[in-house]
Amino acid sequence: DVKVTQSSRYLVKRTGEKVFLECVQDMDHENMFWYRQDPGLGLRLIYFSYDVKMKEKGDIPEGYSVSREKKERFSLILESASTNQTSMYLCASSSPSGSSYEQYFGPGTRLTVT
Amino acid sequence: AQSVTQLDSQVPVFEEAPVELRCNYSSSVSVYLFWYVQYPNQGLQLLLKYLSGSTLVKGINGFEAEFNKSQTSFHLRKPSVHISDTAEYFCAVSEYNFNKFYFGSGTKLNVKP
Repeated sequence: DVKVTQSSRYLVKRTGEKVFLECVQDMDHENMFWYRQDPGLGLRLIYFSYDVKMKEKGDIPEGYSVSREKKERFSLILESASTNQTSMYLCASSSPSGSSYEQYFGPGTRLTVT
Repeated sequence: AQSVTQLDSQVPVFEEAPVELRCNYSSSVSVYLFWYVQYPNQGLQLLLKYLSGSTLVKGINGFEAEFNKSQTSFHLRKPSVHISDTAEYFCAVSEYNFNKFYFGSGTKLNVKP
């Protein structure tokens, strides 16, 4: 089974802190994604990466950056956390060359910025 | 750009009753279609997907969905729901030439005893 793990299930940070959210997948997937999930808004794409060191902005990249130094790991960085970044963050991975063509999700990190 | 509309934000239903969760999308190209389920405090889990072939797709936990190209819809159905089906359901669309997904806003299914 594909496994996508996220470094923390719950995280509480203070306004202005630099925050790192880590995601690791074990299926050698090329593509990795970061979403944020807010009630009534569904999942909104922050950034995605289709290869090591490659990244593309999603729909809401402001206030975020990402890093992908190794194929299995994709990090989301909040440069200076703000209260409006309190949310659930979901990581996903997929393989465009695979037959299933679906995204596999991690359990999520619920981030609270105070 | 794609858009995915889930017409109902909440659907209350009694146990053993049938349910339909609606999903419409906008696309000028061919797409792949998915339904995901999210249980409280968990990530998303794939229920079913349409890639090609038969327009009626069967998934896990007794769910099925029908792809209707002319109406650009992919509604999810279950003939008899259980309490354990209480969760949030997301419809998603991906275009053939990308692996980027577009998600609907979600439908919360609340199954009552």
